[in-house]
Amino acid sequence: QTVVTQEPSLTVSPGETVTLTCASSTGTVTTGYYPNWFQQKPGQAPRALIYNTSNKRTWTPARFSGSLLGGKAALTLSGVQPEDEADYYCLLYLGGAQPWVFGGGTKLTVL
Amino acid sequence: QVQLVESGGGVVQPGGSLRLSCAASGFTFSTYGMHWVRQVPGKGLEWVAFIRYEGRTTDYVDSMKGRVTISRDNSKNTLYLQMNSLRPEDTAVYYCAKDGGTYSLDYWGQGTLVTVS
Repeated sequence: QTVVTQEPSLTVSPGETVTLTCASSTGTVTTGYYPNWFQQKPGQAPRALIYNTSNKRTWTPARFSGSLLGGKAALTLSGVQPEDEADYYCLLYLGGAQPWVFGGGTKLTVL
Repeated sequence: QVQLVESGGGVVQPGGSLRLSCAASGFTFSTYGMHWVRQVPGKGLEWVAFIRYEGRTTDYVDSMKGRVTISRDNSKNTLYLQMNSLRPEDTAVYYCAKDGGTYSLDYWGQGTLVTVS
């Protein structure tokens, strides 16, 4: 069974840039995995941020961007704001009998 | 605006059954695939099931295959998840989510808590 791995936690200061990554146990993550990124704050439902590697939702703030980096999917926050403190999850499309798999999530702390 | 409202959660004994519902509004329900995703309290997200817009094609997470059935009633704009032979490890908040195209999920409901105990 494919495992999707994210950094368990990251800490960043306001105004800095941070990159979260999403790796697959099957190997290099490509655009064919159609990476999605979601943000979840305590007590709230997840909110979609990025789809198809780098496409933003209409509500996604401009400081969020998606890409492929070093064989992984990546979510970059440029100029982190205090309100960006949240859990972030990637989702990869793998096809087959179990098409979608979430990463374990990254807890982003803004200090 | 898109709204997804889950219902049907609650406390059930191990081995029991439960049917979750997700009432959709604000979009043409019959033309979009739909997903169920669950989250054990304090843990990460787990994709559970998907159903295509017409209701004939479904996919499931391996850990729940044979125990869950996703279905939909396009005349009622409602998505369902029938869960049988429930186990304590199925305790989670269950979210429904709209398929956003290009293998994505866009809108999510607020979730319904299922406790197996």
